Amino acid sequence: DAKTTQPPSMDCAEGRAANLPCNHSTISGNEYVYWYRQIHSQGPQYIIHGLKNNETNEMASLIITEDRKSSTLILPHATLRDTAVYYCIVRAYTHGSSNTGKLIFGQGTTLQVKP
Amino acid sequence: DAGVIQSPRHEVTEMGQEVTLRCKPISGHDYLFWYRQTMMRGLELLIYFNNNVPIDDSGMPEDRFSAKMPNASFSTLKIQPSEPRDSAVYFCASSPKETQYFGPGTRLLVL
Repeated sequence: DAKTTQPPSMDCAEGRAANLPCNHSTISGNEYVYWYRQIHSQGPQYIIHGLKNNETNEMASLIITEDRKSSTLILPHATLRDTAVYYCIVRAYTHGSSNTGKLIFGQGTTLQVKP
Repeated sequence: DAGVIQSPRHEVTEMGQEVTLRCKPISGHDYLFWYRQTMMRGLELLIYFNNNVPIDDSGMPEDRFSAKMPNASFSTLKIQPSEPRDSAVYFCASSPKETQYFGPGTRLLVL
């Protein structure tokens, strides 16, 4: 699976949009971009994933560049409860493959939302 | 659904003792994963199962670690004998296919 690069930390003001970047310049055509987050002392939580189109759900939006070498996770209105470590993970997904489940976590970005 | 259930939530033991961590996955999920998290190494995948069969155990640190999944609703991770360097938070996760759902973790301290 391709390697990702994220800034180690970011700050965001409460109520503002938080934009978390991720570089994955060696991504392959069959690899998806996944985002998870880990709030202190809890297990990681799935946020969103995408292949090449932008994606949006109730938690966040995922913007993937046209060349797919980078992406941005957007939390539109950050709250104090969004303070967490955010992990960007690139993973191949092959329907029915025995490797379907494997995730490799990096160091992530620690997002601090401030009042 | 109660989510992934792990027990115990906290475990303190002495070096050399056997430790057994337990996990109940979300009903209907075919995949089960065991992870370990430390400050030094971050979150590492130890082993995962598909339909109760171990698929990849390349992350298991050494023979002191073993994992079983006797049925679709239960898995154990055993450390025997335990060592201080095994101190970590151990997470279990389950997945129907793509998205993994993590349990609250077991915080293990080996003295």
